[in-house]
Amino acid sequence: GQNIDQPTEMTATEGAIVQINCTYQTSGFNGLFWYQQHAGEAPTFLSYNVLDGLEEKGRFSSFLSRSKGYSYLLLKELQMKDSASYLCAVRPIDSNYQLIWGAGTKLIIKP
Amino acid sequence: DAGVTQSPTHLIKTRGQHVTLRCSPISGHKSVSWYQQVLGQGPQFIFQYYEKEERGRGNFPDRFSARQFPNYSSELNVNALLLGDSALYLCASSLVPGGNYEQYFGPGTRLTVT
Repeated sequence: GQNIDQPTEMTATEGAIVQINCTYQTSGFNGLFWYQQHAGEAPTFLSYNVLDGLEEKGRFSSFLSRSKGYSYLLLKELQMKDSASYLCAVRPIDSNYQLIWGAGTKLIIKP
Repeated sequence: DAGVTQSPTHLIKTRGQHVTLRCSPISGHKSVSWYQQVLGQGPQFIFQYYEKEERGRGNFPDRFSARQFPNYSSELNVNALLLGDSALYLCASSLVPGGNYEQYFGPGTRLTVT
């Protein structure tokens, strides 16, 4: 079967750091994406990982461990505008045409 | 540059009716995917089209169909609407399918079935 797990909701303080975890079980693996989705809006691309390790992009970093079926998104210097849902999506190896999505983690930033 | 556009933005239908949703990809993008997103959940894959051919289909009933036109725009059709079809329907385009090519999402069509 294919399954992606993320925490439902997290709360963090403005200026702090937060780590959002994602674990997956899929039929093979061909890359993992992180998207940000503000309420009522479409998802926007944040990062892509296909090899183990950390990818850094400004305040956002994404880490992947393929052997553990695990990824995390690290957000630094949190801003109020970072309040959104963060979606983890995996491309299974037996389908180059679709993404399997997690339910998303709703991140609430408090002043 | 125009992003992915979708129409209509909102739609209200009654059970049993038919609906057509439209999507125009980013200029130069040849791949279009359709997703259904229920509130509080991640997107569920419905279809992917590339070069006007269906390349992937998710676990949706035959009431759902789609097509891609020569200009790479796409339509999603849903027949015999059910209350459970109420959702945000997202269209995403990419240069080509697969690999590390990110998908760019349109604003979505909010469908309400009463």
